Amino acid sequence: AQSVTQLGSHVSVSEGALVLLRCNYSSSVPPYLFWYVQYPNQGLQLLLKYTTGATLVKGINGFEAEFKKSETSFHLTKPSAHMSDAAEYFCAVSEWYGNNRLAFGKGNQVVVIP
Amino acid sequence: DVKVTQSSRYLVKRTGEKVFLECVQDMDHENMFWYRQDPGLGLRLIYFSYDVKMKEKGDIPEGYSVSREKKERFSLILESASTNQTSMYLCASSRGQGDYEQYFGPGTRLTVT
Repeated sequence: AQSVTQLGSHVSVSEGALVLLRCNYSSSVPPYLFWYVQYPNQGLQLLLKYTTGATLVKGINGFEAEFKKSETSFHLTKPSAHMSDAAEYFCAVSEWYGNNRLAFGKGNQVVVIP
Repeated sequence: DVKVTQSSRYLVKRTGEKVFLECVQDMDHENMFWYRQDPGLGLRLIYFSYDVKMKEKGDIPEGYSVSREKKERFSLILESASTNQTSMYLCASSRGQGDYEQYFGPGTRLTVT
């Protein structure tokens, strides 16, 4: 089965600073990759996804991610953190055996420091 | 807009009770999923369904069962609730046929006392 690694369960970033959340995956076939965001007491909301084509993907709220096949990575970035970015972020990768499952990372809790 | 709704946002049950969590999606999606979310453990798949009356075990099915009698509705059943099933439960759906994007409901926070 596929696996997803997100390092650092809690990430602190200053308001206005770069947000960088790392995601590495294992997959034996070209994957579909996702970043989801979860605000307190809510479900997960799609931030962005990579399926095919351009490897730099832009999402909502100024986030973007780059698929690097050679590094098996899909890191999420935002140039300037805003207080409203405080949330939990999950990276996910498609499972290869065709049953439409996603494998999720354990998540990064982002704290934005004023 | 795809909408996934869950029957309750918060639920408190006693040990040994039978608990039903319901999930409804309004976009004719083929696939539906039940996850539980615990701090530090991320999302863990309990069961999923790829068609009416079809179900498959996920990674942590013990103590749970599911029912999908209609395409839009997927129920999670705790036959005899235990305190270690206190958790956030998230339902999701996806179109299927190679479309992996999942749409999530708001979650049900279940407390078993």
